[in-house]
Amino acid sequence: QKEVEQDPGPLSVPEGAIVSLNCTYSNSAFQYFMWYRQYSRKGPELLMYTYSSGNKEDGRFTAQVDKSSKYISLFIRDSQPSDSATYLCAGGGSGAGSYQLTFGKGTKLSVIP
Amino acid sequence: KAGVTQTPRYLIKTRGQQVTLSCSPISGHRSVSWYQQTPGQGLQFLFEYFSETQRNKGNFPGRFSGRQFSNSRSEMNVSTLELGDSALYLCASSNGGSQETQYFGPGTRLLVL
Repeated sequence: QKEVEQDPGPLSVPEGAIVSLNCTYSNSAFQYFMWYRQYSRKGPELLMYTYSSGNKEDGRFTAQVDKSSKYISLFIRDSQPSDSATYLCAGGGSGAGSYQLTFGKGTKLSVIP
Repeated sequence: KAGVTQTPRYLIKTRGQQVTLSCSPISGHRSVSWYQQTPGQGLQFLFEYFSETQRNKGNFPGRFSGRQFSNSRSEMNVSTLELGDSALYLCASSNGGSQETQYFGPGTRLLVL
């Protein structure tokens, strides 16, 4: 079992819809969580970074972490065709001065105009 | 501020050859991490360097190695290439603290024939 599980999709939604992307993780040592967006043939781009349980909002994006159930989510409001990409969740954090990220396999999202 | 750059962007090699990939981090960033991305396994951590020292290493065979120079630029080397090494190799840089975020380059796409 991978430390971070993510439904690969693909997920297709109409423009303007609310998108919910989810991951579960098994490593209790994870201290922080990230969401990356990756367009085709590009490197991942950092979207959101959360440290504690709860919600963090940034424009149309909301990241949610529930450490008790080891569940992380990304919500996209008023989705746009430009949001079509693969979304990667990641967990990390251990040891002073060093860390590595463990990624889910990504969910491919298509927003249809 | 310029982002993370990786060279070359595309590479074709044959089995048994070796390859060297290069990464220049964001100016001022001292940590460089390398990841391998494949459709089947997703993003997997290879190793991380900070101030010319390898701090973390993932579960890859010894054919995969790296180094970091005094200007924080990093190289990774793969010897005795196998077909399964075909992947997108991504480099990410950060300031190096335990809670710092990572910024990815565009990647080097390696095809092994």
